[in-house]
Amino acid sequence: SQQGEEDPQALSIQEGENATMNCSYKTSINNLQWYRQNSGRGLVHLILIRSNEREKHSGRLRVTLDTSKKSSSLLITASRAADTASYFCATDARDDKIIFGKGTRLHILP
Amino acid sequence: DGGITQSPKYLFRKEGQNVTLSCEQNLNHDAMYWYRQDPGQGLRLIYYSQIVNDFQKGDIAEGYSVSREKKESFPLTVTSAQKNPTAFYLCASSIGVGATDTQYFGPGTRLTVL
Repeated sequence: SQQGEEDPQALSIQEGENATMNCSYKTSINNLQWYRQNSGRGLVHLILIRSNEREKHSGRLRVTLDTSKKSSSLLITASRAADTASYFCATDARDDKIIFGKGTRLHILP
Repeated sequence: DGGITQSPKYLFRKEGQNVTLSCEQNLNHDAMYWYRQDPGQGLRLIYYSQIVNDFQKGDIAEGYSVSREKKESFPLTVTSAQKNPTAFYLCASSIGVGATDTQYFGPGTRLTVL
């Protein structure tokens, strides 16, 4: 029972460029979270945005939320090799638990 | 990996065997979770626990069992009834089960059935 779906599935950009990935969801949410997963590791929480917020920043990360379009975007500015990872959005669903999307695989080229 | 440990990192199992994956946290979190991750897929919830001696089935609980005898520990047993157990298993914990609670993940256990 997938709620959020990331787009694109995979993204390759040159180091220093900005990376944008999107998350679309089907039903109304109270909040949306973004997580990062380095290859073969656990997930790390990046940022949470609530339904009454439109934009949040954390360092080089900028997250937007458009509840009318049921979508969120994660922008990573001035990408670095260390940003190579998979990025997941997680939305709240039934029973107040969160559901993870399938992720976007980001590859930063040297 | 934020105070959550999983062991072993790699596990090999013969068909028909039960195996137990360990998950320990020292974050004093009430809630703990087990997820399964397959290639190209997101995380799917197997079981979660909000408090000691209580746990709930997630979306794919069939063939798995858990216990929560201590706040710090939430072991997962993959039984022989699980038809396709080869996967990457992730344990997580959070202060509560609310959807605003950040989940902290362990490094994962990769299980391979031979």
